[in-house]
Amino acid sequence: GAGVSQSPSNKVTEKGKDVELRCDPISGHTALYWYRQSLGQGLEFLIYFQGNSAPDKSGLPSDRFSAERTGGSVSTLTIQRTQQEDSAVYLCASRLGGIAYGYTFGSGTRLTVV
Amino acid sequence: GESVGLHLPTLSVQEGDNSIINCAYSNSASDYFIWYKQESGKGPQFIIDIRSNMDKRQGQRVTVLLNKTVKHLSLQIAATQPGDSAVYFCAEIWDNTDKLIFGTGTRLQVFP
Repeated sequence: GAGVSQSPSNKVTEKGKDVELRCDPISGHTALYWYRQSLGQGLEFLIYFQGNSAPDKSGLPSDRFSAERTGGSVSTLTIQRTQQEDSAVYLCASRLGGIAYGYTFGSGTRLTVV
Repeated sequence: GESVGLHLPTLSVQEGDNSIINCAYSNSASDYFIWYKQESGKGPQFIIDIRSNMDKRQGQRVTVLLNKTVKHLSLQIAATQPGDSAVYFCAEIWDNTDKLIFGTGTRLQVFP
């Protein structure tokens, strides 16, 4: 597609439920990134994919968070047993190759845990 | 860990004036810097970037200055317009890594 697509755009879930957030990167982009943005804050790195592998998972806050990428394209971020502190906007970005190509961000999924 | 910080959380400027948004970074190994603009409800949008072997780069109405001696980065917006109102983030990439590290952001407010 023309840009990075994320779904859903908004998600309200009850505490303790699992959620899945989806990212469709720009076609052909090999690198994919997940970030979390809490209200009024900067972007916190979560995980990075190069193809289907994740060389850097250092930002995942706990073992309740996991992510996968299949076919070098779509990625899913899963949060198990959601907590209220998980409420944030989850942003996905993709990149064609080296850093000179730049990162393109999606509009994010706003997750609210009630 | 290392982080990118911003001097001012909010900057208010009059339409037509020039804006300067500052950023300090602490990792001397950073070799690439990017400024992003984020409007409400949207993802960050690329504005301009600069590599560590440069000290200035210009785009359309925007200029980024890099002072590696004092680890300082700035974004200058000429003739600020209402459409420039947004939160601006600087981000850095550490040498030999592949992830952006963001600061907390500066909100730019443009008033008539």
